[in-house]
Amino acid sequence: DGGITQSPKYLFRKEGQNVTLSCEQNLNHDAMYWYRQDPGQGLRLIYYSQIVNDFQKGDIAEGYSVSREKKESFPLTVTSAQKNPTAFYLCASSIGANTDEQYFGPGTRLTVT
Amino acid sequence: EDQVTQSPEALRLQEGESSSLNCSYTVSGLRGLFWYRQDPGKGPEFLFTLYSAGEEKEKERLKATLTKKESFLHITAPKPEDSATYLCAVQAGGSQGNLIFGKGTKLSVKP
Repeated sequence: DGGITQSPKYLFRKEGQNVTLSCEQNLNHDAMYWYRQDPGQGLRLIYYSQIVNDFQKGDIAEGYSVSREKKESFPLTVTSAQKNPTAFYLCASSIGANTDEQYFGPGTRLTVT
Repeated sequence: EDQVTQSPEALRLQEGESSSLNCSYTVSGLRGLFWYRQDPGKGPEFLFTLYSAGEEKEKERLKATLTKKESFLHITAPKPEDSATYLCAVQAGGSQGNLIFGKGTKLSVKP
């Protein structure tokens, strides 16, 4: 079955620690995205990548970093510089970047205390 | 500024009671409007893409329509399993693929 996987489903970290969220897709999609979802707010774009070895900042990139070394993988690192890291993180992919629908993974809920 | 507003925030229906969800948008050149369904604790599930005013798409009890300023998601004779949060998103002209999402409408259908 083709799809997007995110791991782990739940993640707990202490304040001041960096943490990396995994996102893998086997849909052969070129574009991948990271969103953050907070209660009462719409999804907000953190980073996106249209092609391997290239990525761009979204609306709320501060305190986050990404890499795109393989087409299938787009990991997100939440650094200690992110002031409010506790959130539901969603990874998505699309065939291309323009007008194509994005398909989402199951999400990772990160709790930082 | 590109913006998406969904209304109502929450909607409670009886099973079989048809209704509509609204998505109003202001965007500099619409490339596409997307509807998603999201169940609690899960990722959004893609439903529809609409590209131009007058376009309509249907899937089971759902029908999405688009005008120059808004989109409607019509739900005909809903069932309890239609309960979810419905998200609307737009892609603006000049963007590089990123979507602008509304806050969603939480739909509850009671048997």
